[in-house]
Amino acid sequence: GQNIDQPTEMTATEGAIVQINCTYQTSGFNGLFWYQQHAGEAPTFLSYNVLDGLEEKGRFSSFLSRSKGYSYLLLKELQMKDSASYLCAAKAAGNKLTFGGGTRVLVKP
Amino acid sequence: EAGVAQSPRYKIIEKRQSVAFWCNPISGHATLYWYQQILGQGPKLLIQFQNNGVVDDSQLPKDRFSAERLKGVDSTLKIQPAKLEDSAVYLCASSFLGLAATGELFFGEGSRLTVL
Repeated sequence: GQNIDQPTEMTATEGAIVQINCTYQTSGFNGLFWYQQHAGEAPTFLSYNVLDGLEEKGRFSSFLSRSKGYSYLLLKELQMKDSASYLCAAKAAGNKLTFGGGTRVLVKP
Repeated sequence: EAGVAQSPRYKIIEKRQSVAFWCNPISGHATLYWYQQILGQGPKLLIQFQNNGVVDDSQLPKDRFSAERLKGVDSTLKIQPAKLEDSAVYLCASSFLGLAATGELFFGEGSRLTVL
């Protein structure tokens, strides 16, 4: 079975840091994606983790712990344009992706 | 490189009517997905194709939804008859599965369906 949990909403101030947590229970797990989705738009790829540890890409970093079924997305130096929904998705065999409900991040000035 | 193309972008129908959505994936992407995204929720997989074969359609309401991918390229998703709860954005995505590929999904802009 597949179960992905992430918080519904988070609010942060411009210039601050926000960490979005994601826990998953996925049969045949073999990777974790994070996508960004602005209102009314399609999801766009942010990061992919398959091994334990931290992957850094500019202001965004993603962490994975396979033993704990846990990942987080870290957004640093928040900008107003980072206001969006962030989707955690677990990959299973056959490249099947199951998405969480998304975390809506609101950045305030 | 052209992205995933979808049409129509918007569709308004009355309940019990039918509707069809079309998707053209990125060239060379063998895997094609249809997701349903209800407002405020994450995308839910309806069906996954590998070339022209179905990999997973376990969450497709087969009494009213159907999808095909003839010739392993374009795909069509049909709803007949539509219900109010089918109001959602229907996202098509494709991915490339080669050695060392992550299997990242590339999404189209979606088809927004409103059922009245």
